[in-house]
Amino acid sequence: QVQLQESGPGLVKPSQTLSLTCTVSGGSISDSSYYWSWLRQSAGKGLEWIGHVYTSGNSKYNSSFKSRVTISLDTSKKQFSLKLTSVTAADTAVYFCARGQDFWSQPVDYWGQGTLVTVSS
Amino acid sequence: DIQMTQSPSSLSASVGDRVTITCRASQNIDTYLNWYQQKPGKAPKLLIYAASSLHSGVPSRFSGSGSGTDFTLTISSLQLEDFATYYCQQGYSSLLITFGQGTRLDIK
Repeated sequence: QVQLQESGPGLVKPSQTLSLTCTVSGGSISDSSYYWSWLRQSAGKGLEWIGHVYTSGNSKYNSSFKSRVTISLDTSKKQFSLKLTSVTAADTAVYFCARGQDFWSQPVDYWGQGTLVTVSS
Repeated sequence: DIQMTQSPSSLSASVGDRVTITCRASQNIDTYLNWYQQKPGKAPKLLIYAASSLHSGVPSRFSGSGSGTDFTLTISSLQLEDFATYYCQQGYSSLLITFGQGTRLDIK
């Protein structure tokens, strides 16, 4: 059974960088059948895909985040990470890491429990 | 961007009822459509992928149908554990995966 666990600060100051890590257990993070994703959920915008990274190291990002987001993969540690720069209060949300299947409709089949990140001074 | 619109936004039903939730895409997405269930304080769970394929471990009372722009999620006989919020998600555009706004299913 694949399990994912988010970790990182729950409070970030405006204009700073939000950094989260997801640790994967119970499955291979190097399996090219899958990609590794970050999503978030806030009351105002519902579920929002941030981006994902493939086992090749290539990544895709939601253009809404412009150049603020980076997702990277560390297969040796079985982790992948999210960096979101220049945060504002609008980035306050529950952040989920997840595994997606890299085929057809790209379903997200395993999710972390989610971690609340608040942007406030 | 592909917009996903769900209807209704909320719905009240009783145990044993047959329930249908609709999701409409702003453009043709073939069958690149998934459905998720989310309970308060929990992560979403995958129910249906590729519009009509049941994810492993999901009860057979859940089913999905549709292609193109119109899709439905049907629960054939509601159980207590099915009261939750349901989301559709399109995977047609790998450059921008988008979700519907959700349908909240409450006990009548």
